[in-house]
Amino acid sequence: NAGVTQTPKFRILKIGQSMTLQCTQDMNHNYMYWYRQDPGMGLKLIYYSVGAGITDKGEVPNGYNVSRSTTEDFPLRLELAAPSQTSVYFCASASSGVNEQYFGPGTRLTVT
Amino acid sequence: RKEVEQDPGPFNVPEGATVAFNCTYSNSASQSFFWYRQDCRKEPKLLMSVYSSGNEDGRFTAQLNRASQYISLLIRDSKLSDSATYLCVVNLAGGTSYGKLTFGQGTILTVHP
Repeated sequence: NAGVTQTPKFRILKIGQSMTLQCTQDMNHNYMYWYRQDPGMGLKLIYYSVGAGITDKGEVPNGYNVSRSTTEDFPLRLELAAPSQTSVYFCASASSGVNEQYFGPGTRLTVT
Repeated sequence: RKEVEQDPGPFNVPEGATVAFNCTYSNSASQSFFWYRQDCRKEPKLLMSVYSSGNEDGRFTAQLNRASQYISLLIRDSKLSDSATYLCVVNLAGGTSYGKLTFGQGTILTVHP
């Protein structure tokens, strides 16, 4: 049982490039989330999903897109990367909307 | 007012000390409460859930006061390995907030020999 896995661990992008951050969970959780954490700051919710085919915006969705075609996978797409998107990105999952969330190890992204 | 507010610290304590962290939340409709721990450059990990009756897990005790909208975490007999950032987390769980956790900024703890 691997829990929540994320790839890649690190990535450097040039301004204007695009990429997809991958997130997979093997706990059969319906709820999945994407957060970003800037240095010395708290976590901010980017997008979340309550089940396959259902996604919704969080606090800071601009510049990102998501899809949820399966229960296991919840990729985050960055289009036209900007320096302001330099951050650590965490994916999380939960069995319900009131239960604790389990986090992946994160992806460190630098946009230069 | 922030939805979840914590004293950012840092707290610097010697091994063996008892340390307490406090947290307040603004939404009285909040339904579930947690303390997470985050080590430097790592993902947050659940330390413990917080129940209305209070709960204890070894050296850690969590309390919830719904009337005052206040959550606390007590760490007894601090170890070097307790050094981390402690996140107070609240699930608003109502209406458009359903399923979303709100994280405090975190309280930094350093335990020294």
